Amino acid sequence: QSALTQPPSASGSPGQSVTISCTGTSSDVGGYNYVSWYQQHPGKAPKFLIYEVTKRPSGVPDRFSGSKSGNTASLTVSGLQAEDEADYYCSSYAGNDNPHLIFGGGTKLTVL
Amino acid sequence: QVQLQESGPGLVKPSDALTLTCSVSGFSISIDDWWGWIRQPPGKGLEWIGFIHDSTNTFYSPSLSSRVTMSLDTSKNQFFLKVNSVTAVDTAVYYCARYDRVTAIFDIWGPGTMVTVSS
Repeated sequence: QSALTQPPSASGSPGQSVTISCTGTSSDVGGYNYVSWYQQHPGKAPKFLIYEVTKRPSGVPDRFSGSKSGNTASLTVSGLQAEDEADYYCSSYAGNDNPHLIFGGGTKLTVL
Repeated sequence: QVQLQESGPGLVKPSDALTLTCSVSGFSISIDDWWGWIRQPPGKGLEWIGFIHDSTNTFYSPSLSSRVTMSLDTSKNQFFLKVNSVTAVDTAVYYCARYDRVTAIFDIWGPGTMVTVSS
C-alpha cells in the first residue's frame, strides 16, 4: 500500500490559481469517487476541504475545487490568498472487503 | 459541538507498547459510529493507522496490522489505540478522528498528541 503521489511543493502569487495533483491507481483514486482533500496549517490538525472528489462542506470557500480524471485527482485553489499557505493532503478510500484509506505525501503550498 | 482529545505518554521506550486514548465530548459514541487514528512523523505526511466500528469491526493499515489494536468503550465515551513493540519510526503526532463512512472522510479531528520513542 503506497502513498498517493503529490508534488512536494507548489506556489503562486496572490490572486492566481494553483492546481495540486494526486496520483494513485485503479485500486484507489481511479476505482472510487471517494477522494478527499485536507488542509493543514503548521502545528494544527488537518481540516477537510473537499470530499467525494468535488464536494465542498459548508464553510469552505468556493475558491477550492476538486476534480478527477482516471487515476489522478486534482485540487485547484483559485484567487490565492495569504491564508491558503499550508500543507495539502489528498486521501482516497480503497478496498471494499477490507476498507482502508490512503493519504498522499502532501504538498506545501507557498503564496509568494 | 463534538470535540476529540488525545491523551497518552509523551515518551515511550523502544520495544515497549504505546497506548493512546481519545476522549470524545459533545457527542455520545454509539456502535453505529466509526472512529480512526492517523499519525504524522515529524516533518512528514499523514499515515492512516486504522478504523474501529463497534468493538468487533476493526480495519488496520497492512503495514501496521501486526502491531496495532484498537478498542472502544462507549460507557466512557472513549476509544483507544495500542501499538506494540515500538521503535523510533513510531515517533509521530498521533491524531484521533471521527470517520464518516458515507463520504470516506475524517470530519472531526483531535488536536493531536506527540509521542517520542526513545530510551
